[in-house]
Amino acid sequence: DAEITQSPRHKITETGRQVTLACHQTWNHNNMFWYRQDLGHGLRLIHYSYGVHDTNKGEVSDGYSVSRSNTEDLPLTLESAASSQTSVYFCASSNRASSEGVGELFFGEGSRLTVL
Amino acid sequence: AQSVTQLGSHVSVSEGALVLLRCNYSSSVPPYLFWYVQYPNQGLQLLLKYTTGATLVKGINGFEAEFKKSETSFHLTKPSAHMSDAAEYFCAVSEWGSYIPTFGRGTSLIVHP
Repeated sequence: DAEITQSPRHKITETGRQVTLACHQTWNHNNMFWYRQDLGHGLRLIHYSYGVHDTNKGEVSDGYSVSRSNTEDLPLTLESAASSQTSVYFCASSNRASSEGVGELFFGEGSRLTVL
Repeated sequence: AQSVTQLGSHVSVSEGALVLLRCNYSSSVPPYLFWYVQYPNQGLQLLLKYTTGATLVKGINGFEAEFKKSETSFHLTKPSAHMSDAAEYFCAVSEWGSYIPTFGRGTSLIVHP
C-alpha cells in the first residue's frame, strides 16, 4: 500500500544545532507540504512543493528550508534550531486536481521535535 | 483570503448522543471542503470531503456533513457518539486552483461514558 513516512518520530536536540526531518511518500504525488502543529495555533504551513526542484515558503518559513530533488522526498531542515521550534511536525502530500476538484492531503504520523 | 472558523475548541458529549461540530468559512467562490480527524499521537486522516454534486456528504465511521452555501457552513454530524470518536477534528477549505487548504483551529471531541 502507498504511504507517507516521517523520520525520526521523536528527536531531542540542542539550541543552535542543524536538524533534518525526513519525509518520504510512495503515492507518487506531485504536491508535498510541511506543517507544524502547536497548541492554540492549529496547523501552520512551513514550506510546500508542487514538484521536483520546486519549493515555496509558507506562513512560518523563517528558520526552515526544504529541497525537492525527486518526487518521493521533501526533507525539512532547521538551520539552527531554536526553542521556539519545539513542535510536532507533519508532512503531507496530495495529487494534482482532477475533474473532482482539488485532492485531499495524506499525512504522515508526525515528528515530535524538542529543542533544549 | 480564506478563513475557516470552528466554533468551540472543545465539544463534550455523552456516549450515544448526537455529535455536532461546526465549521464556517469565508470564500468568494464555491470552495472544496474537507473534514479531517486526528487521533492521539497520529497524523490527520480524511473523514469526508465535498467537491461538487450532492451537498450532503457521507464519510467514514458514520459521520456526515452538509454544505450550505447560503450559510457558508459545513457542519459535521454523527447521530450517536462512540467512545472511539474522541479525537481532534479539523475543517479545511480549498479553492479551485489552489492546492493549499486553509485549516480551522480544530475542535477536540470529548466523549463521556
